[in-house]
Amino acid sequence: QVQLVESGGGLVKPGGSLRLSCAASGFTFSDYTMTWIRQTPGKGLDWVSYITSSGGTIHYADSVKGRFTISRDNAKNSLYLQLNSLRAEDTAVYFCARDSTSYRFDLWGQGTLVTVSS
Amino acid sequence: QSALTQPASVSGSPGQSITISCTGTSNDVGGYNYVSWYQHHPGKAPKLMIHDVSNRPSGVSNRFSGSKSGNTASLIIAGLQAEDEADYHCSSYTSSSTYVVFGGGTKLTVL
Repeated sequence: QVQLVESGGGLVKPGGSLRLSCAASGFTFSDYTMTWIRQTPGKGLDWVSYITSSGGTIHYADSVKGRFTISRDNAKNSLYLQLNSLRAEDTAVYFCARDSTSYRFDLWGQGTLVTVSS
Repeated sequence: QSALTQPASVSGSPGQSITISCTGTSNDVGGYNYVSWYQHHPGKAPKLMIHDVSNRPSGVSNRFSGSKSGNTASLIIAGLQAEDEADYHCSSYTSSSTYVVFGGGTKLTVL
């Protein structure tokens, strides 16, 4: 069925790294811009990054610019987020989402938890 | 602190109607008709309920509707049902470098 499944979250020390993955199925992955969004504990959602269908355009939130890297492999129907130089404030559930037209996210995964703590 | 302001919680009895507000600025909610609403049952995937201020995706109940006035958008849920109990998040396109901003989320309790 049409779904997104994230993986790769876990506990990491400040300054450490993680690579998140998002596996897409049930739709033509290569047709869509894809986005990462995070939800910090007890707070709202924050947009993190997007990558266009071909990977030609990438954009980051200021809070993660220079530390996080988004990428995709259309042959594997997969989206990735490399998280480097992690900080306590990066602790959050990270969701991947399909970015439809008019700035809406019409398909989400269940999220993967990243905890940054010593 | 979230860019868009939502009430932390709202509640209503089954069958009643409730409204959740989402207040931004002229750089986001007030300036563009790109407001969306998401329903999120914790532990599950968020679900798009409303897009472009007042449009429902296929499959979403017509009990859900949206509107906007000035810098404030609203989600209206009519005929509350137990399964509506969830967190609701608004979002908007923004002319800032952030691309899309979200509200802090509203917890809906069905009494």
